[in-house]
Parts: sequence; C-alpha cells; structure tokens
Amino acid sequence: GQNIDQPTEMTATEGAIVQINCTYQTSGFNGLFWYQQHAGEAPTFLSYNVLDGLEEKGRFSSFLSRSKGYSYLLLKELQMKDSASYLCVVMDSNYQLIWGAGTKLIIKP
Amino acid sequence: GAVVSQHPSRVICKSGTSVKIECRSLDFQATTMFWYRQFPKQSLMLMATSNEGSKATYEQGVEKDKFLINHASLTLSTLTVTSAHPEDSSFYICSAREGRGRETQYFGPGTRLLVL
Repeated sequence: GQNIDQPTEMTATEGAIVQINCTYQTSGFNGLFWYQQHAGEAPTFLSYNVLDGLEEKGRFSSFLSRSKGYSYLLLKELQMKDSASYLCVVMDSNYQLIWGAGTKLIIKP
Repeated sequence: GAVVSQHPSRVICKSGTSVKIECRSLDFQATTMFWYRQFPKQSLMLMATSNEGSKATYEQGVEKDKFLINHASLTLSTLTVTSAHPEDSSFYICSAREGRGRETQYFGPGTRLLVL
C-alpha cells in the first residue's frame, strides 16, 4: 500500500531551528511537496523536490533522498507565525497526490 | 504566484437544499482541478479530479450524484452539494493545476459549509 509517515506534533522555540521528517512508500515517485496549513485555512505551497538534494528557499529548506524514501523540511529562525501544520505530499507514478496526515508545529516564545 | 479563488468562503444552509461552490484559477489555465474536503484536525481527503471538458473522476466512497462537479472551462470548476445534510458540513477546498503532469497544485482558500 501507499504510506506517508511524519510526526504528529512537534514543539520548538521562537528563533530556533526545527526539522520535520517524512518517510514514504508509494507506487512510483514523481516528486514530493511540502505544504503549510494554518488552522481553518487551505494549504499553501512551500516546496517541491523531485531530485535528490537540498532546496533552499529563504528560511525554509527541503531535502529529498529518493533511495531512502525520505524527506525533511527545515525551518530556520522560527517565528510565531510558523505555528501551523506541515503536510508532506508525494506524487505517485499516476501523478496522484498521496497526503501525509501532517505535523502540527507549535512555536513557543 | 498562481492564484485560485473560491466562492463563497462560508455558507450556511438548511438540510435538503443544494449548495454550489465555485473554484476559479485567476491567472492561469487549469487543465485539471481537484476537490477536497477536510474534517477538523484531519488531513485533506480527495473527493474528485476533473479535467476540463470531461467527466470528473470520483474517489471511492464519494457519491457522484450527491457531489456534482462541472469543469466547463479552463478557469472554472463548480462543486454542487445536492440535498445537503448535516453530515456534509465540512471544509471544502479546491485546487488547480496548469498541466496534466508534474506541475504544482495551487489551492483555493476553501469554503466552510454548515448544514443545519
């Protein structure tokens, strides 16, 4: 079956760094997305990785290892507004999105 | 970046009535549009995928006669919840993709439906 695993909840301190891990097992692979979703709002796109390596975009970076079925989202210089759920999403061989359950990130002052 | 709008953002209706939700891609042509629903504290659940000009493909367990989807143009898709019941109360989110391949999906802001 298809499966995406990510921690249910994480807590971090304002100004610090946090890494949210995601492992996946899917039928084929056509890329991995990270989305941010604030409570009561629709998801917003953060990053897309299809090749191995690190993609950096401002305070956010995303890493992919296809051989390990593993990705992480790295958030630096955490701000209170970063408190949200972070969704790991894999596109399978049929270009269908497989959604992780999301990691709720709590930022403390 | 690409913008997707949804209307209405919030709707309250009586049980038994039908509700139509519009999804528009504002600055790109959306070959494919997706409809999701999300229950509180849960991840998104894909309801259906629609390609412009063809019938929507519904996910298992989603009643196509209850959730009518029309993707009549490259910028507009509509979801009609027919004969709504309280259990249909949910957060409905559409997303749009420019091509049929790997392009990113962009999400609308969502429509919160409450059926009394």
